Amino acid sequence: AQTVTQSQPEMSVQEAETVTLSCTYDTSENNYYLFWYKQPPSRQMILVIRQEAYKQQNATENRFSVNFQKAAKSFSLKISDSQLGDTAMYFCAFMKPYGGSQGNLIFGKGTKLSVKP
Amino acid sequence: GAVVSQHPSWVICKSGTSVKIECRSLDFQATTMFWYRQFPKQSLMLMATSNEGSKATYEQGVEKDKFLINHASLTLSTLTVTSAHPEDSSFYICSARRQGSYNEQFFGPGTRLTVL
Repeated sequence: AQTVTQSQPEMSVQEAETVTLSCTYDTSENNYYLFWYKQPPSRQMILVIRQEAYKQQNATENRFSVNFQKAAKSFSLKISDSQLGDTAMYFCAFMKPYGGSQGNLIFGKGTKLSVKP
Repeated sequence: GAVVSQHPSWVICKSGTSVKIECRSLDFQATTMFWYRQFPKQSLMLMATSNEGSKATYEQGVEKDKFLINHASLTLSTLTVTSAHPEDSSFYICSARRQGSYNEQFFGPGTRLTVL
């Protein structure tokens, strides 16, 4: 069974600085999808970034980028120029490839990020 | 585009009553919808997967007779918590997968259920 581990329950960063959130996962699949979701105090889940395992290039979305290390099964999220609005719970998630499941997400336990002014 | 709504956003009910939560995809057709449960300060746990027109697939440990899921159309799935008890109090979140798009899910805003 797939597992997703986020080893940092809480982190804090000063506004405008950079922070990296860690995520490791365990799977025997060769192809799969990885995600970072943000859950602000409103509790609405928001997709931050997505990575397909067969793509070697790390995904980026504006201030958000990932460091995907397939061999190490590591998928960290880097937030540059942190903003107060980045304060939220961040969940790393795994999805099996098409045909391997119904496409449900397996979530890590989350990292609570606080951005301080 | 790709908006998912949930209704109600919060509900308080008495122990022993049943509560229905609706999940709607407002601007797309969703062949598959997922129901998650989230306890305070915890992660999302998948309860069940529902496919339009067929029976839901429940995760291990989730009572299908207690958490009734119906996915009667491509835009609506419902979760009914039957004979609710205080331990069912939680935050319930649905997500929907757009028809033709496997690796993309859109989440509803969640429903907070409190059972007295």
